[in-house]
Amino acid sequence: KNEVEQSPQNLTAQEGEFITINCSYSVGISALHWLQQHPGGGIVSLFMLSSGKKKHGRLIATINIQEKHSSLHITASHPRDSAVYICAAFSARQLTFGSGTQLTVLP
Amino acid sequence: GAGVSQSPRYKVAKRGQDVALRCDPISGHVSLFWYQQALGQGPEFLTYFQNEAQLDKSGLPSDRFFAERPEGSVSTLKIQRTQQEDSAVYLCASSDRGTSIGETQYFGPGTRLLVL
Repeated sequence: KNEVEQSPQNLTAQEGEFITINCSYSVGISALHWLQQHPGGGIVSLFMLSSGKKKHGRLIATINIQEKHSSLHITASHPRDSAVYICAAFSARQLTFGSGTQLTVLP
Repeated sequence: GAGVSQSPRYKVAKRGQDVALRCDPISGHVSLFWYQQALGQGPEFLTYFQNEAQLDKSGLPSDRFFAERPEGSVSTLKIQRTQQEDSAVYLCASSDRGTSIGETQYFGPGTRLLVL
């Protein structure tokens, strides 16, 4: 089974700061997902990537397949970015989730 | 169009009671997934359907858990003789194709189950 680890578990930042959340996995994958979960449970898919880098607005996701590592970056963070960010590794038809990073952005 | 919907949103059950959780995926989506999320943890895979076929049920924690998708659209997750450790949020997700490469999954709001 794939082991997916995220760091940090909790992150508090001031509005405007550049944020990085890291994810590592133990087994080769076909895709890596980054998800955002708001209080109350709603999950939104942010990115799915299998190589390189993707950008959407202030969010950037990168993956290094050789090192089995991915990062999610948020530029110019805003209080509305406060949520739990979860990475999930896809292999053998299954998504294995990390335990999430609780991000709090203070005004 | 409508997203993934789940019902009920909240369910309180007495230990030993049977429960049924419903998932309505996005219309036309081929793949449907069930996940269990314990408090403070990331979701864990339970089972996966491609159309009406249950292709993977390796994540179901015991034989008290049963899932079906008889017509390839709506799915029901049934838990028999509920136990306190079954208390969790049950998430459903769908994607529009098969999962050979891991397409984007669209998540429902979840059903929060509390077993007393």
